Amino acid sequence: QKEVEQDPGPLSVPEGAIVSLNCTYSNSAFQYFMWYRQYSRKGPELLMYTYSSGNKEDGRFTAQVDKSSKYISLFIRDSQPSDSATYLCAMSAYNQGGKLIFGQGTELSVKP
Amino acid sequence: EPEVTQTPSHQVTQMGQEVILRCVPISNHLYFYWYRQILGQKVEFLVSFYNNEISEKSEIFDDQFSVERPDGSNFTLKIRSTKLEDSAMYFCASINEAGGDQPQHFGDGTRLSIL
Repeated sequence: QKEVEQDPGPLSVPEGAIVSLNCTYSNSAFQYFMWYRQYSRKGPELLMYTYSSGNKEDGRFTAQVDKSSKYISLFIRDSQPSDSATYLCAMSAYNQGGKLIFGQGTELSVKP
Repeated sequence: EPEVTQTPSHQVTQMGQEVILRCVPISNHLYFYWYRQILGQKVEFLVSFYNNEISEKSEIFDDQFSVERPDGSNFTLKIRSTKLEDSAMYFCASINEAGGDQPQHFGDGTRLSIL
C-alpha cells in the first residue's frame, strides 16, 4: 500500500462548481497535512496547512482532516479558471525532520 | 513575501558530467530540503539538512549526490556523474523549525535535462 494515495485525475469542472480533492494515507504517525497548488513548470505553492483532525477555511478553500479514516480533503468553492492547476496533498510526522510525503497530485481544469 | 530562489531554472548536461543546483533559502530559515519530481510522477523527498549536516536522506540520495551550505545564504545539490534517469525537476524548500509547526516553502525548481 502506498503511503499517500491521490487520484491523479484529470478532473474537469465548469466555472463556479464546487471542487472536492482527496487523499488517503496509511501512516498513522502523520500529523501535519498540507495542500499545495502547482502550475506547470513551477514549484509547489502552499495553499492550506492543518494540524491533526478538523477543518480549516481560507477564503474559497476549505481543508478537512479525518485522522480516524486517514483521509484528507480540499474543497474549492466557486471555482475559477485561474484555479486550473495540479493540486498536491502532502503530509509529515511530528519530529521526523519535516520530511514531506506527497500524493501523486490531481490535475484540475476549470472551464469558463 | 520572502521566497526561496533557485538557479538555474533549466540545466542541460551531458550524461556523466557533474552538475550543481543552487538554492537561496528564506533568510531566517534553518532547515533545508531537496525534492525531486520526475515528469508525470510525484514529488519525492531527497534529503534534509540542518546545522551543516544531513539530517535524513532517501534511498534516491546515493553516493552520487551531495549537499552543501557553502556560505550563509546558499544551499547546493551536487550530482557527481549524472545519469539519464536524473532528468527531473529539483525543488529546494526551507523552514525555520522542523517540528512540523511550520509548512515548507518551495522554490520554482531547476529543470535538469540529461542528454
